[in-house]
Amino acid sequence: DIQMTQSPSSLSASVGDRVTITCRASHNINNRLHWYQQKPGKAPNLLIFGASNLQSGVPSRFSGSGSGTDFSLTISSLQPEDFATYYCQQSYSTPPYTFGQGTKLEI
Amino acid sequence: EVQLVESGGGLVNPGGSLRLSCAASESIFSLAWMTWVRQAPGKGLEWVGRIKSKGAGGAIDYAAPVKGRFTISRDDSRDTLYLQMNSLKTEDTGIYYCAWDHYIGGFYVSDYWGQGTLVTVSS
Repeated sequence: DIQMTQSPSSLSASVGDRVTITCRASHNINNRLHWYQQKPGKAPNLLIFGASNLQSGVPSRFSGSGSGTDFSLTISSLQPEDFATYYCQQSYSTPPYTFGQGTKLEI
Repeated sequence: EVQLVESGGGLVNPGGSLRLSCAASESIFSLAWMTWVRQAPGKGLEWVGRIKSKGAGGAIDYAAPVKGRFTISRDDSRDTLYLQMNSLKTEDTGIYYCAWDHYIGGFYVSDYWGQGTLVTVSS
């Protein structure tokens, strides 16, 4: 199975900051990488699919990049509603489609 | 917009069984590829399994920790997805989400999620 490793596991930042979260795959997954945001007590919400494609309705301050094994999610200017936990997920080839362990973004 | 409502969670003894349901609001459910994801208390997301639409062959895949114990099925006439969980272990405790996998830009991604249902395995 493909393992996904996110870093950091937690991150403290302030409103207006630019933050980057990284995700590394144990094998080449091309661009089969997606990012989700999860707030406490809520289901995950898709932000980015295919490494760099912004899901409809997601603010443009979110962006994704990368290919192969190394990926990143960047929030250009943190807003109060962005404080949440972020997960990457790979969907390369056949399942299982593993998630990273998550990055908790805190004030 | 697609709405998914899970039900069937609860408290069960180790070794017991439980069946979760996920009811979809859309009549095109029969075309959907559906995924189950779980989350242990205070932990991250864990992919459980996926079922393709019958039109795409209906293949079902499972994560290793649940293979042989859990069964995913669907009733397209009822727009409902199921997760039959047998031989439950304490480590199966968590919130179980169903998700609708849409085909977007060449990718199947889980872009609609239910609210989740809590499963607690404890004696």
